[in-house]
Amino acid sequence: QAQLVQSGAEVKKPGSSVKVSCKTSGDTFDTYALSWVRQAPGQGLEWMGGVIPRFASTNYAQRFQDRLTITTDESTTTAYMELSSLRSEDTAVYYCARDRYSGNGRSYGFDNWGQGTLVIVSS
Amino acid sequence: DIQMTQSPSSLSASVGDTITITCRASESISTFLNWYQHKPGKAPEILIFAASTLQSGVPSRFSGSGSGTDFTLTISSLQPEDFATYYCQQSFNFFTFGGGTKVETK
Repeated sequence: QAQLVQSGAEVKKPGSSVKVSCKTSGDTFDTYALSWVRQAPGQGLEWMGGVIPRFASTNYAQRFQDRLTITTDESTTTAYMELSSLRSEDTAVYYCARDRYSGNGRSYGFDNWGQGTLVIVSS
Repeated sequence: DIQMTQSPSSLSASVGDTITITCRASESISTFLNWYQHKPGKAPEILIFAASTLQSGVPSRFSGSGSGTDFTLTISSLQPEDFATYYCQQSFNFFTFGGGTKVETK
């Protein structure tokens, strides 16, 4: 079972940025895509965006297009999600997930997930 | 964007019951439909992918069906550990989750 290990909880001020890391295995980096999903309190799951590490190719959900950046570090097989211009509505648990990407924007789902990172945005 | 409508949003059931959750896509997604189980404080877990393929290690009481725009998740003989929230997800054009179905004890 692949391990995705995320960084710890964060408390941020409105207007600032947060960067969450997701440490994976080399196999994951070479073979899969990685997605970021969040769940705000009392809300459902929301896909934010993803990356195919071997191609350094990213895709973002339209609503996060202007303030989300997903990057990878091949040397440490770590993916990063940075969300800027934070507001209180961004308070959520953020998950990275291994994506069985099959090409052309299609996938066979997320078969491994990180443990989640709580981000609280509060003044 | 493809919208996913899941129903019901919640349901009450007893151990041993058979329950069905439905998911409708706003346009055809072939069979690129996945189901997840999510429990509080834990990461979601995939149950079914490609509409009807059981993920390795998932009990056979979980089953999925459908294609195009209409899909169902059935849990036969509900077990105590099955009380959770279930989400459908389209993966035909990137990803959209349904709103979730919370399965509670009656």
